[in-house]
Formats: sequence, C-alpha cells, structure tokens
Amino acid sequence: EAQVTQNPRYLITVTGKKLTVTCSQNMNHEYMSWYRQDPGLGLRQIYYSMNVEVTDKGDVPEGYKVSRKEKRNFPLILESPSPNQTSLYFCASSPDSINSPLHFGNGTRLTVT
Amino acid sequence: AQTVTQSQPEMSVQEAETVTLSCTYDTSENNYYLFWYKQPPSRQMILVIRQEAYKQQNATENRFSVNFQKAAKSFSLKISDSQLGDTAMYFCAVRPVAQKLVFGQGTRLTINP
Repeated sequence: EAQVTQNPRYLITVTGKKLTVTCSQNMNHEYMSWYRQDPGLGLRQIYYSMNVEVTDKGDVPEGYKVSRKEKRNFPLILESPSPNQTSLYFCASSPDSINSPLHFGNGTRLTVT
Repeated sequence: AQTVTQSQPEMSVQEAETVTLSCTYDTSENNYYLFWYKQPPSRQMILVIRQEAYKQQNATENRFSVNFQKAAKSFSLKISDSQLGDTAMYFCAVRPVAQKLVFGQGTRLTINP
C-alpha cells in the first residue's frame, strides 16, 4: 500500500531531551516536507526536500533539523526541544514539487513539558 | 509570498443540507494549483478536491465542488447533501508551480443529525 509512515504517533518528552520523528514513504517521491499544525494557524512548513541531499528551510525552521540521505526517509530532529514546540507534526510527500498534491502521514502529537 | 485566508473558523449545518466553505488567497504567481484537504477527528489529512488555476471549469468530485473565481482570488468549497462523515476540519491550500503548499487556518465543520 502506498503510504507515508510517521513514528511515533504520540510522544511526550521533557525540555532539552533530543528526539527524532521518523518519516518514510514507499512511493519513490522526490519531494518531502514537514509541517506543524497549531490551532488557529493551520499548517506551517518547517523544512522541505526536493531530492536526496537537498533540503531547505520553510516558514518555521528554528529549533529543527532534517536530513535526506535516502529518497524514502526524511527524519525531523529536535536537538533541544522546548515547550513552544508542542504541536501536531505532519510529514508529507509528493512525486514532484510542481503541482502534485501532498500525501500526508498520520501525524505525530508531540508534547514537551 | 502566498497567503490563504479562511474567514469562517467554525460552521455547523444539519445533515443533508448544502454548505459552502469560503477561502481567499493571494499569490503573485500566474500558474498555481488550489486544494481542499479534509482532516477528520482521526487527524488524517485527506485530499478532497483540486483545481488548476489555468482551467476555468470548476472542479467537482461527487458531492464536493468548488467555485473558483480567479480574478477575485476566491476558492470556495461546496458540499451538497452533507453527511455525518463530513464532520471535519477543512483546509484550503495554494501551491504555485515549483513552490511550497501554503495552508489557510482551517474551518471546523460540524454536521448535525
């Protein structure tokens, strides 16, 4: 089944403890992206990747890192999480960056205390 | 930069009624795509419908249709014969060619029995 798989689905952590949210897609998509969803703000892009080893900042990149060593994987890394990073996170992919709709993972609910 | 505005934070209608969700956007690009995504309580992001800006004909998908007014930069979603399963958060989004997908703030739609 074609899908974008995010893990974990829920995560509770403490301030400053490094964490990684994994994202993998099995559709051979070139484009991948991370969004965070907050009430009243919709989804805002954190980072995106046009292809392997090509990543760039979105609208809210502060406090996050990403890597794209393989086409299928695009992990989101929080080196030192803070409470303002408590949010719902989505990974998404599309065949290209031109006009294709995004395919989304099921989301990761992160709480930082 | 692109912006998307959904002016109705919440809406509520009775089952079987028709409901229209409004969306306005701003972009300086001439070639772009517009999308409506649905997010049910399961928090999955599901593509409802998409519209190519260069096409004048409004897109339809079963009970879902759009009213695309390019000059006014308006992209409303009409749901006919609404069903309980249509209860969800709905996001409007715009994606200029080769650029990121930008979302509106969302409209929470409740269908009442």
